[in-house]
Amino acid sequence: DVKVTQSSRYLVKRTGEKVFLECVQDMDHENMFWYRQDPGLGLRLIYFSYDVKMKEKGDIPEGYSVSREKKERFSLILESASTNQTSMYLCASRRGQAGELFFGEGSRLTVL
Amino acid sequence: AQKITQTQPGMFVQEKEAVTLDCTYDTSDPSYGLFWYKQPSSGEMIFLIYQGSYDQQNATEGRYSLNFQKARKSANLVISASQLGDSAMYFCAMREAGGGFKTIFGAGTRLFVKA
Repeated sequence: DVKVTQSSRYLVKRTGEKVFLECVQDMDHENMFWYRQDPGLGLRLIYFSYDVKMKEKGDIPEGYSVSREKKERFSLILESASTNQTSMYLCASRRGQAGELFFGEGSRLTVL
Repeated sequence: AQKITQTQPGMFVQEKEAVTLDCTYDTSDPSYGLFWYKQPSSGEMIFLIYQGSYDQQNATEGRYSLNFQKARKSANLVISASQLGDSAMYFCAMREAGGGFKTIFGAGTRLFVKA
């Protein structure tokens, strides 16, 4: 069964902490994505990657960075967490340039 | 600029009736794909249906169909014979050929199916 796995379902962090959200897919997909989901705003794209070590900014990259050292793993990094980064974070992957996204279960981050 | 608009924050439908969820999009790219996803209360995102910009016929997948009106830039989802299990958030999404083939989403519509 194909799978996108996010390392943590729920996290609580303090303002200013460095936060790592990990995502692993077992489908050998080239493309991986990080979104944040907020009520009334839908899913907003933070960053995406179409190859190892490659990354592209999405619509809301400020305050975030990403790392893709291996094809199966795409990490989202909050260098200094702030309360306005409290949100649900969704990782997704896709084979090639077309086709649907496969999503992880999401990571709900609360920054206090 | 590419954009997806879903104007219905919430919808109610009676069980066994059909319902249409609206989606309009904006893009200058002639090559694009349109998707609908379902997100039940459990949180996982489920792919429902896809329509390519060059597809001549409307896409259908079981009880789901996509009413694609290219000139109006609309891609409405039609669910026939609603079931209680259809209660969920529904997101319209678009993937463009340009911009690195990123996929953007609308704000979503919450559908409530009444028994």
